Amino acid sequence: NAGVTQTPKFRVLKTGQSMTLLCAQDMNHEYMYWYRQDPGMGLRLIHYSVGEGTTAKGEVPDGYNVSRLKKQNFLLGLESAAPSQTSVYFCASSYLTGPQQPQHFGDGTRLSIL
Amino acid sequence: QQQVKQSPQSLIVQKGGISIINCAYENTAFDYFPWYQQFPGKGPALLIAIRPDVSEKKEGRFTISFNKSAKQFSLHIMDSQPGDSATYFCAASPMYSGGGADGLTFGKGTHLIIQP
Repeated sequence: NAGVTQTPKFRVLKTGQSMTLLCAQDMNHEYMYWYRQDPGMGLRLIHYSVGEGTTAKGEVPDGYNVSRLKKQNFLLGLESAAPSQTSVYFCASSYLTGPQQPQHFGDGTRLSIL
Repeated sequence: QQQVKQSPQSLIVQKGGISIINCAYENTAFDYFPWYQQFPGKGPALLIAIRPDVSEKKEGRFTISFNKSAKQFSLHIMDSQPGDSATYFCAASPMYSGGGADGLTFGKGTHLIIQP
């Protein structure tokens, strides 16, 4: 089964361009998350959603917007890409919040901003 | 700010040896401590997790040791194998955060290499 699917897998943008990263999950999970992973920095939460139609800011939300119009999809948008947003972006989902509710991750989108 | 400090940043272990990765936290509200394993080109995947009501949890060759008074926990990989070569992240979260993401706070990761 697919689990969490991220598209695209790779992308190169020029500074100032915009794009949307798509995350889709087929596990009927309520919670969805967007993280960025940078060398030596671990995973940092950008935005998250606790259900369809709701979003909230995480640790590093500046420069990003998100939408959760459908329960299974969580979109991450970059309105005006900057080189500092070069990173690997991971989407994750979980059934519920709270302990012992593992987050299931996609395989990432590698984004380079020139 | 909530932090989880992970060490070492990188680790090389001979096949058959014991790999040990350590994490320390500050926030006493943390109540759930998972470890995630990440292979190159893949997303992290939950490996093993522990609650602070126990001092140790073992699953196969993987063991978490937890010291609540010291606010430290560690991952031990016994009989380490080349297939264990990956990046390992510790994390922590509060039991409930009132509707928040229960944001997992991740350590910065340990790049583990098991030499044949």
